[in-house]
Amino acid sequence: GAGVSQSPSNKVTEKGKDVELRCDPISGHTALYWYRQSLGQGLEFLIYFQGNSAPDKSGLPSDRFSAERTGGSVSTLTIQRTQQEDSAVYLCASSLDVRVQQYFGPGTRLTVT
Amino acid sequence: GNSVTQMEGPVTLSEEAFLTINCTYTATGYPSLFWYVQYPGEGLQLLLKATKADDKGSNKGFEATYRKETTSFHLEKGSVQVSDSAVYFCALGDNYGQNFVFGPGTRLSVLP
Repeated sequence: GAGVSQSPSNKVTEKGKDVELRCDPISGHTALYWYRQSLGQGLEFLIYFQGNSAPDKSGLPSDRFSAERTGGSVSTLTIQRTQQEDSAVYLCASSLDVRVQQYFGPGTRLTVT
Repeated sequence: GNSVTQMEGPVTLSEEAFLTINCTYTATGYPSLFWYVQYPGEGLQLLLKATKADDKGSNKGFEATYRKETTSFHLEKGSVQVSDSAVYFCALGDNYGQNFVFGPGTRLSVLP
């Protein structure tokens, strides 16, 4: 079956521009996570959605970052006024339930020039 | 808050050597523990998991035992192969899906 998909796979943007990253989770998965993997760093949790509950935004690094999940399915991560330190691979994952396996998408590589 | 500490890499081994990658955690309650692997050029995938104390997760010759008394979940393999070269992440997930924490990752290189 289809896995988690993300788009675009690569994005190059100029400093100060806004970007939107998209995640399509596995159908039926109620939990959706966004992570960031910077060069040489581990995974950094950004935000978590579970069903219709308010998202856990505790990992968002600044107010330039926001995310939404429409209809309990597709999610969009928006970064406003991008900075060079935002350059990283942004990973999306989904799971049936909070304690079970997360399935990761291939990621979006963001480069801010 | 929850946290995961993982041994620093990179780790370089010869083929057929014994592998241990240490992982310890701090958490409230009774979290689930995971090892994820990222092969070169690929996305993350689950390697193994354990959901309660004394559970042993195993897959592809890798094993890890959930030790509540030492708050550890060390990854082991008796005989590594070149194809095991990857970055390994220890992770913790609590009961509520919040505070899902990954360790920094350990890069393993296996030489023929």
